[in-house]
Amino acid sequence: QVQLVQSGSELKKPGASVKVSCRASGYTFTSYAMNWVRQAPGQGLEWMAWINTNTGNPTYAQGFTGRFVFSLDTSVSTAYLQISSLKAEDTAVYYCARLDYYDSSGYADYWGQGTLVTVSS
Amino acid sequence: SYVLTQPPSVSVAPGQTARITCGGNNIGSKSVHWYQQKPGQAPVVVVYDDSDRPSGIPERFSGSNSGNTATLTISRVEAGDEADYYCQVWDSSSDHPVFGEGTKLTVL
Repeated sequence: QVQLVQSGSELKKPGASVKVSCRASGYTFTSYAMNWVRQAPGQGLEWMAWINTNTGNPTYAQGFTGRFVFSLDTSVSTAYLQISSLKAEDTAVYYCARLDYYDSSGYADYWGQGTLVTVSS
Repeated sequence: SYVLTQPPSVSVAPGQTARITCGGNNIGSKSVHWYQQKPGQAPVVVVYDDSDRPSGIPERFSGSNSGNTATLTISRVEAGDEADYYCQVWDSSSDHPVFGEGTKLTVL
């Protein structure tokens, strides 16, 4: 069965960096793109980026360039999100989600369990 | 960027029908997907491509899409349906997904 397993919660100080992993299993990793979605406390879902797992090419939402780096290691079927120069407003749950992309459309059919990143001094 | 508009909240009594709308410019020309998110859990897709249901999702969940409004309909609402619901489409101009702001469904 398809599973996306994310790394555990993180507590970081402002200015530090964090790397969240998302390990996929139960399907061919390069057959589906990968989404990253942020959810701040008490807020809605905010799409961050999707990554073509064949080329590694990301498509970013506005506001998620610069400090946010999305990468892959296809040898271990894992996607990564790295955030640098963390700010308090980066405190959120970060989800990876498999993207079923077709005919210039798509949706997230499987989701990781989420990783809570807390930024606090 | 394409904007989706959802009501912040919908309330319904058990056994009744809940309708959650998602508005967007000519949304009827796009495929709409709906997610359910219960507190402390990851979202789950309950309807995709306007009206299709993934395996395991009850037939009580259905969707429609026409003109400027898509609708998620939950028939015979149960207490366990209480959750936040999000619509999503693909913004072809920027080639990425867009989420609605979410609707909190309260079962009275």
